[in-house]
Amino acid sequence: EAGVTQFPSHSVIEKGQTVTLRCDPISGHDNLYWYRRVMGKEIKFLLHFVKESKQDESGMPNNRFLAERTGGTYSTLKVQPAELEDSGVYFCASSRKGRIYGYTFGSGTRLTVV
Amino acid sequence: GDSVTQMEGPVTLSEEAFLTINCTYTATGYPSLFWYVQYPGEGLQLLLKATKADDKGSNKGFEATYRKETTSFHLEKGSVQVSDSAVYFCALSDQNSNSGYALNFGKGTSLLVTP
Repeated sequence: EAGVTQFPSHSVIEKGQTVTLRCDPISGHDNLYWYRRVMGKEIKFLLHFVKESKQDESGMPNNRFLAERTGGTYSTLKVQPAELEDSGVYFCASSRKGRIYGYTFGSGTRLTVV
Repeated sequence: GDSVTQMEGPVTLSEEAFLTINCTYTATGYPSLFWYVQYPGEGLQLLLKATKADDKGSNKGFEATYRKETTSFHLEKGSVQVSDSAVYFCALSDQNSNSGYALNFGKGTSLLVTP
Protein backbone atom coordinates (compact mmCIF):
# COMPACT_ATOMS: atom_id res chain seq x y z
CA GLU A 1 0.00 0.00 0.00
CA ALA A 2 1.13 3.57 -0.57
CA GLY A 3 2.49 5.32 2.49
CA VAL A 4 1.56 8.61 4.09
CA THR A 5 2.42 11.43 1.72
CA GLN A 6 3.21 14.95 2.79
CA PHE A 7 3.91 17.98 0.69
CA PRO A 8 5.67 20.13 0.22
CA SER A 9 8.76 18.47 1.62
CA HIS A 10 10.31 21.88 2.27
CA SER A 11 8.86 25.35 2.51
CA VAL A 12 10.60 28.65 3.16
CA ILE A 13 8.33 31.62 3.78
CA GLU A 14 8.62 35.07 5.24
CA LYS A 15 7.20 36.02 8.59
CA GLY A 16 3.59 37.10 8.20
CA GLN A 17 2.91 34.95 5.16
CA THR A 18 0.52 32.01 5.00
CA VAL A 19 1.54 28.42 4.40
CA THR A 20 -0.60 25.33 3.89
CA LEU A 21 0.78 21.86 4.49
CA ARG A 22 -0.94 18.81 3.12
CA CYS A 23 -1.08 15.23 4.28
CA ASP A 24 -2.50 12.28 2.34
CA PRO A 25 -2.98 9.36 4.72
CA ILE A 26 -3.02 5.71 3.77
CA SER A 27 -6.33 4.86 2.15
CA GLY A 28 -8.81 3.50 4.66
CA HIS A 29 -7.06 4.93 7.71
CA ASP A 30 -9.65 6.73 9.80
CA ASN A 31 -7.14 8.22 12.23
CA LEU A 32 -4.92 11.08 11.15
CA TYR A 33 -2.47 12.89 13.40
CA TRP A 34 -0.31 15.97 13.10
CA TYR A 35 2.92 16.38 15.05
CA ARG A 36 5.63 19.02 15.04
CA ARG A 37 9.31 18.99 15.92
CA VAL A 38 10.85 22.34 16.64
CA MET A 39 14.64 22.38 16.36
CA GLY A 40 16.31 20.67 19.32
CA LYS A 41 13.05 19.83 21.03
CA GLU A 42 10.66 16.94 21.31
CA ILE A 43 8.21 15.91 18.65
CA LYS A 44 4.95 17.34 19.94
CA PHE A 45 1.41 16.19 19.26
CA LEU A 46 -0.76 18.81 17.58
CA LEU A 47 -4.09 17.17 16.84
CA HIS A 48 -5.97 14.01 15.98
CA PHE A 49 -8.73 13.48 13.43
CA VAL A 50 -11.08 10.55 13.32
CA LYS A 51 -12.39 10.69 9.79
CA GLU A 52 -13.37 14.34 9.34
CA SER A 53 -13.90 15.09 13.03
CA LYS A 54 -11.32 16.62 15.35
CA GLN A 55 -10.99 14.14 18.17
CA ASP A 56 -8.34 16.05 20.08
CA GLU A 57 -6.75 19.37 19.22
CA SER A 58 -5.19 20.04 22.60
CA GLY A 59 -1.71 20.35 21.12
CA MET A 60 -2.46 23.16 18.68
CA PRO A 61 -0.21 26.03 19.78
CA ASN A 62 -2.55 28.93 19.03
CA ASN A 63 -5.30 30.17 16.72
CA ARG A 64 -2.86 30.89 13.90
CA PHE A 65 -2.99 27.17 13.17
CA LEU A 66 -6.00 25.68 11.40
CA ALA A 67 -6.33 22.02 10.48
CA GLU A 68 -9.01 20.54 8.29
CA ARG A 69 -9.88 17.14 6.94
CA THR A 70 -12.80 17.60 4.61
CA GLY A 71 -14.45 14.35 3.59
CA GLY A 72 -12.23 12.37 5.90
CA THR A 73 -9.50 11.91 3.33
CA TYR A 74 -6.53 14.24 3.07
CA SER A 75 -5.79 16.89 5.67
CA THR A 76 -4.37 20.38 5.51
CA LEU A 77 -2.63 22.40 8.18
CA LYS A 78 -2.59 26.13 7.57
CA VAL A 79 -0.44 28.59 9.44
CA GLN A 80 -1.61 32.19 9.12
CA PRO A 81 0.24 34.41 9.72
CA ALA A 82 3.48 32.49 10.16
CA GLU A 83 5.92 33.49 12.90
CA LEU A 84 9.60 32.66 13.30
CA GLU A 85 8.89 30.18 16.12
CA ASP A 86 6.71 28.11 13.77
CA SER A 87 9.82 26.82 12.02
CA GLY A 88 10.28 23.10 12.37
CA VAL A 89 9.35 19.77 10.86
CA TYR A 90 5.67 18.92 10.67
CA PHE A 91 4.85 15.24 10.63
CA CYS A 92 1.61 13.57 9.69
CA ALA A 93 0.67 10.02 10.65
CA SER A 94 -2.30 7.76 10.05
CA SER A 95 -3.65 4.53 11.46
CA ARG A 96 -6.64 2.26 11.13
CA LYS A 97 -9.58 2.61 13.48
CA GLY A 98 -8.69 1.43 16.96
CA ARG A 99 -5.05 0.69 16.09
CA ILE A 100 -2.78 2.69 18.36
CA TYR A 101 0.21 0.58 17.42
CA GLY A 102 -0.16 0.91 13.71
CA TYR A 103 0.90 4.49 13.14
CA THR A 104 2.52 5.16 9.76
CA PHE A 105 4.35 8.46 9.55
CA GLY A 106 5.02 10.61 6.54
CA SER A 107 8.46 12.02 5.78
CA GLY A 108 7.49 15.41 7.15
CA THR A 109 7.44 18.96 5.86
CA ARG A 110 10.34 21.14 6.89
CA LEU A 111 9.01 24.68 7.38
CA THR A 112 11.40 27.59 7.68
CA VAL A 113 10.03 31.02 8.52
CA VAL A 114 12.51 33.84 7.87
CA GLY B 1 1.77 15.25 32.67
CA ASP B 2 3.31 12.38 30.78
CA SER B 3 6.86 12.86 29.54
CA VAL B 4 9.84 11.01 28.11
CA THR B 5 13.49 11.75 28.75
CA GLN B 6 16.20 10.21 26.59
CA MET B 7 19.92 10.67 26.54
CA GLU B 8 21.28 13.55 24.54
CA GLY B 9 23.27 12.85 21.43
CA PRO B 10 24.97 12.70 19.18
CA VAL B 11 26.32 9.24 19.83
CA THR B 12 29.21 8.10 17.67
CA LEU B 13 30.22 4.44 17.64
CA SER B 14 32.46 2.22 15.60
CA GLU B 15 30.89 -0.59 13.63
CA GLU B 16 30.21 -3.71 15.76
CA ALA B 17 30.20 -1.72 19.00
CA PHE B 18 27.51 -2.18 21.65
CA LEU B 19 24.75 0.42 21.74
CA THR B 20 22.67 1.65 24.63
CA ILE B 21 20.34 4.63 24.41
CA ASN B 22 18.73 5.43 27.73
CA CYS B 23 15.06 6.33 28.02
CA THR B 24 13.01 7.01 31.14
CA TYR B 25 9.41 8.07 31.37
CA THR B 26 6.82 9.67 33.61
CA ALA B 27 3.19 8.65 33.24
CA THR B 28 0.10 8.68 35.42
CA GLY B 29 -1.41 5.55 33.96
CA TYR B 30 -0.11 2.39 32.31
CA PRO B 31 1.53 3.52 29.11
CA SER B 32 2.67 1.62 26.08
CA LEU B 33 6.28 2.33 25.16
CA PHE B 34 7.87 2.65 21.74
CA TRP B 35 11.11 3.26 19.95
CA TYR B 36 10.88 5.02 16.60
CA VAL B 37 13.72 5.51 14.14
CA GLN B 38 14.17 8.16 11.48
CA TYR B 39 16.69 7.39 8.75
CA PRO B 40 18.03 10.33 6.74
CA GLY B 41 15.39 11.71 4.39
CA GLU B 42 12.67 9.37 5.61
CA GLY B 43 9.72 9.44 7.98
CA LEU B 44 9.51 8.01 11.45
CA GLN B 45 9.33 4.22 11.54
CA LEU B 46 8.25 2.08 14.45
CA LEU B 47 11.27 0.07 15.55
CA LEU B 48 9.80 -1.83 18.49
CA LYS B 49 7.19 -1.59 21.21
CA ALA B 50 6.15 -2.96 24.60
CA THR B 51 2.70 -2.67 26.05
CA LYS B 52 3.09 -3.83 29.65
CA ALA B 53 5.66 -4.21 32.39
CA ASP B 54 8.47 -6.73 31.75
CA ASP B 55 7.59 -7.00 28.05
CA LYS B 56 10.59 -7.02 25.75
CA GLY B 57 10.29 -5.48 22.32
CA SER B 58 12.74 -6.55 19.66
CA ASN B 59 13.38 -5.91 15.97
CA LYS B 60 16.39 -5.85 13.62
CA GLY B 61 18.71 -6.81 16.48
CA PHE B 62 17.48 -4.01 18.73
CA GLU B 63 15.88 -4.76 22.08
CA ALA B 64 14.22 -2.80 24.87
CA THR B 65 12.57 -4.05 28.07
CA TYR B 66 9.70 -2.24 29.78
CA ARG B 67 10.89 -1.74 33.38
CA LYS B 68 8.10 -0.37 35.53
CA GLU B 69 10.20 -0.34 38.71
CA THR B 70 12.75 2.01 37.14
CA THR B 71 10.31 3.62 34.64
CA SER B 72 12.77 2.88 31.87
CA PHE B 73 12.81 1.52 28.33
CA HIS B 74 16.46 1.54 27.28
CA LEU B 75 17.32 0.62 23.70
CA GLU B 76 20.18 -1.82 23.12
CA LYS B 77 21.91 -3.51 20.24
CA GLY B 78 24.84 -5.85 20.56
CA SER B 79 26.65 -4.96 17.35
CA VAL B 80 25.77 -1.83 15.41
CA GLN B 81 26.21 -1.38 11.67
CA VAL B 82 26.80 1.70 9.56
CA SER B 83 23.23 1.33 8.30
CA ASP B 84 21.94 1.90 11.85
CA SER B 85 22.98 5.55 11.64
CA ALA B 86 19.75 7.46 12.27
CA VAL B 87 17.85 9.42 14.89
CA TYR B 88 16.12 7.31 17.55
CA PHE B 89 13.07 8.50 19.46
CA CYS B 90 11.62 7.00 22.60
CA ALA B 91 7.87 7.53 22.98
CA LEU B 92 4.91 6.59 25.12
CA SER B 93 1.19 6.44 24.63
CA ASP B 94 -1.11 6.52 27.60
CA GLN B 95 -4.65 5.62 26.66
CA ASN B 96 -5.84 6.89 30.02
CA SER B 97 -4.56 10.39 29.38
CA ASN B 98 -6.66 13.19 27.98
CA SER B 99 -4.87 13.00 24.65
CA GLY B 100 -5.97 9.42 24.03
CA TYR B 101 -3.78 7.79 21.44
CA ALA B 102 -1.33 10.67 21.09
CA LEU B 103 2.35 9.84 21.40
CA ASN B 104 4.69 11.67 23.77
CA PHE B 105 8.20 11.70 22.35
CA GLY B 106 11.64 12.28 23.74
CA LYS B 107 13.99 14.74 22.05
CA GLY B 108 15.65 12.09 19.92
CA THR B 109 19.17 10.70 19.95
CA SER B 110 21.30 10.94 16.84
CA LEU B 111 23.48 7.88 16.23
CA LEU B 112 26.41 7.84 13.85
CA VAL B 113 28.16 4.54 13.21
CA THR B 114 31.54 4.74 11.52
CA PRO B 115 33.26 1.93 9.58
